[in-house]
Amino acid sequence: GDSVTQMEGPVTLSEEAFLTINCTYTATGYPSLFWYVQYPGEGLQLLLKATKADDKGSNKGFEATYRKETTSFHLEKGSVQVSDSAVYFCALGTGGGNKLTFGTGTQLKVEL
Amino acid sequence: DVKVTQSSRYLVKRTGEKVFLECVQDMDHENMFWYRQDPGLGLRLIYFSYDVKMKEKGDIPEGYSVSREKKERFSLILESASTNQTSMYLCASSSSGTRGNEQFFGPGTRLTVL
Repeated sequence: GDSVTQMEGPVTLSEEAFLTINCTYTATGYPSLFWYVQYPGEGLQLLLKATKADDKGSNKGFEATYRKETTSFHLEKGSVQVSDSAVYFCALGTGGGNKLTFGTGTQLKVEL
Repeated sequence: DVKVTQSSRYLVKRTGEKVFLECVQDMDHENMFWYRQDPGLGLRLIYFSYDVKMKEKGDIPEGYSVSREKKERFSLILESASTNQTSMYLCASSSSGTRGNEQFFGPGTRLTVL
């Protein structure tokens, strides 16, 4: 079945550091790929997405590229801020009903 | 502003009680979902619905049921709550058709079963 594997946290970085959160997937067919973010005390919200191979999703300085050859969708940001502290979830979507399969989440803490 | 609302942010119930969690969306979405979120396990799909009165089991449906009588409302029911159902419950909705439609999430209900 479909599955998503993402790096375990917590990840602690200093402000302005470079961020990478790894995500790899297993799926039949050609899934869409998503990164969701969950700020403390809130539900999840979409950060970025890509729907086909080689697409790059980007938002708020975050980027991720859909790599079919390595089945990966790694999240990157060049310079993190304290306000980026949150839990990040990688997910894949298949099927007409847009069902999502989530990774276990990676907690990011950014310190001054 | 699009919205998914859940009836309670925090809920405390006793073992054996029947528990109703309500979710309402104002986006006219066809699809609605219930997840539970546990540390180290991410989000796991309990049930989902593609249309009014339609329901499909997700990955962990045991001990739960759902009801969708109106398009905007999707209820999760714990018939007889148990302590292992203590968790954060998240509702989401999405539209059908276009590939890659995002799911919109509610703020979650943190349920504690004593």
